[in-house]
Amino acid sequence: SQQGEEDPQALSIQEGENATMNCSYKTSINNLQWYRQNSGRGLVHLILIRSNEREKHSGRLRVTLDTSKKSSSLLITASRAADTASYFCATVRGSARQLTFGSGTQLTVLP
Amino acid sequence: SAVISQKPSRDICQRGTSLTIQCQVDSQVTMMFWYRQQPGQSLTLIATANQGSEATYESGFVIDKFPISRPNLTFSTLTVSNMSPEDSSIYLCSVERRDRAYREQYFGPGTRLTVT
Repeated sequence: SQQGEEDPQALSIQEGENATMNCSYKTSINNLQWYRQNSGRGLVHLILIRSNEREKHSGRLRVTLDTSKKSSSLLITASRAADTASYFCATVRGSARQLTFGSGTQLTVLP
Repeated sequence: SAVISQKPSRDICQRGTSLTIQCQVDSQVTMMFWYRQQPGQSLTLIATANQGSEATYESGFVIDKFPISRPNLTFSTLTVSNMSPEDSSIYLCSVERRDRAYREQYFGPGTRLTVT
């Protein structure tokens, strides 16, 4: 079963604006990963943040992690139409190796 | 990242038949997983494919319905048996790289299955 929830479920913004997606989870984690999926295709790994990290950057992506609140956020700055996709967070718990996915956010960037 | 291929990329199958999906990786990997993504839904783990031994299934998934093989460190198959329309989903394999310390997983392009 899915461990977490993401909000919003859907987000529509104009090109150039920033997009923020949030992810909440229920149990303690080893790390949290964000993925992008275009139109029901394979998932692309975006970024991994470990449980002892609070913030991480990769290009236009900024991820934060608050383990006390069991939540994470993904910020995409200066969005582009090509960023239109579904975004999923996924957690890894303890010594387990499996990913538990959130419900996903459908991002639409309008040109 | 690892290069992962899946075959077939899509298929339309009749109810009651079986389909075997292949996952091939371009390098040896420690862990391989199979996920299902039902229409409009997130991903759910089916099982962990263990090299040289029986797969480890998640709650709600059984070997008779989803037999899995993993004969070596670069290849695995998932069979969807005795299919029904409820099995219509995207099936994805993922791998965890041996040389990655923090358990990043990489996904194949998926197999889109439609059961009529």
